Amino acid sequence: GQQVMQIPQYQHVQEGEDFTTYCNSSTTLSNIQWYKQRPGGHPVFLIQLVKSGEVKKQKRLTFQFGEAKKNSSLHITATQTTDVGTYFCAGETSYDKVIFGPGTSLSVIP
Amino acid sequence: GAGVSQSPRYKVTKRGQDVALRCDPISGHVSLYWYRQALGQGPEFLTYFNYEAQQDKSGLPNDRFSAERPEGSISTLTIQRTEQRDSAMYRCASSLRVSYNEQFFGPGTRLTVL
Repeated sequence: GQQVMQIPQYQHVQEGEDFTTYCNSSTTLSNIQWYKQRPGGHPVFLIQLVKSGEVKKQKRLTFQFGEAKKNSSLHITATQTTDVGTYFCAGETSYDKVIFGPGTSLSVIP
Repeated sequence: GAGVSQSPRYKVTKRGQDVALRCDPISGHVSLYWYRQALGQGPEFLTYFNYEAQQDKSGLPNDRFSAERPEGSISTLTIQRTEQRDSAMYRCASSLRVSYNEQFFGPGTRLTVL
């Protein structure tokens, strides 16, 4: 079946360091979304990428969608303690079904 | 404005009992999704609705699980003859339009089957 994978599973960084999580799908996606889930909270939508090769920025966050629409990345510049949480990518298949990756858990050491 | 609400927030039940989990989406949201999330994992798709029509139920684990959204608003996920392996966080999400994929998640229902 269709799978969405993410690496790394965990990442511990010193405050101020950069962070990147990578998302890979076994099949071509119509779009990809990114969500953040704080400990004890629920997933919160960050962004959606639709076009091949698309790059979007939100302040210190940069999102990329691969040319083949099978992979994506989220990069955070100069992490802060408020960035702590689990980051999920979610790929939409051609039938409106959204498949979430297992997430990358980010810890930021002050 | 009100977000997505789910009830109950916590449900403890004995093996073999039926449970009904309710989701109240954001008013006017067309699409409604049900997910199951295990600790340390991403949300696992169960089923989704556009309006009152169930579009895809391929994620429902077996025929003990069913969902409905009879009037295109509130949805109920029912688990019959619960088993311990059904214990998980059940999350509901809604989105404004069909294929408009910003999903707003509810707080979830933590189900524990003893």
